[in-house]
Amino acid sequence: IAGITQAPTSQILAAGRRMTLRCTQDMRHNAMYWYRQDLGLGLRLIHYSNTAGTTGKGEVPDGYSVSRANTDDFPLTLASAVPSQTSVYFCASSDWAGHTDTQYFGPGTRLTVL
Amino acid sequence: DAKTTQPPSMDCAEGRAANLPCNHSTISGNEYVYWYRQIHSQGPQYIIHGLKNNETNEMASLIITEDRKSSTLILPHATLRDTAVYYCIVRAHQTGANNLFFGTGTRLTVIP
Repeated sequence: IAGITQAPTSQILAAGRRMTLRCTQDMRHNAMYWYRQDLGLGLRLIHYSNTAGTTGKGEVPDGYSVSRANTDDFPLTLASAVPSQTSVYFCASSDWAGHTDTQYFGPGTRLTVL
Repeated sequence: DAKTTQPPSMDCAEGRAANLPCNHSTISGNEYVYWYRQIHSQGPQYIIHGLKNNETNEMASLIITEDRKSSTLILPHATLRDTAVYYCIVRAHQTGANNLFFGTGTRLTVIP
């Protein structure tokens, strides 16, 4: 079982370009999340999806969009990248229900916007 | 979700117990206490969680005070590989993910 995979591992992007970060899970979890982590700060939630077909905004959603066409995939798109979006991006999933809501994280994508 | 307060950093000697405190004085009755850790450059890793009873698993023990306003994560025999940032999070289950809050955590350094 791979768990959660993210692609690419790292990327350097020119400002104004469009970029999609990919996230795939094989655990059939219903919920998925995107976080960003900046130096000196904790993880901040960008967008989430409680189930396929639904999405919601987190703490810092501006400049990002997501989609959840199926259970396994949760891509994050930067329509027009800006330097302030330079960060490490983590995707996570959980099977929230009942007595547990443990989140499992991917290895991250390091994005640099110049 | 209730917010948490953790010390920014702690040191622990290798082989000794590491006790990481967390204050969550505004915790609600349906909110669980979760602990995660993040080893440098890796994604966060789940450690343990609990509601009101103390919990133990193969990684750690979680001690929650009777009033649930604080908790302590215990790594019984810290190793160098336990050096990481440890996050204490409180959240209710069966709610939307729009209220997750990781905070800045405690940076634990295990010293040889």
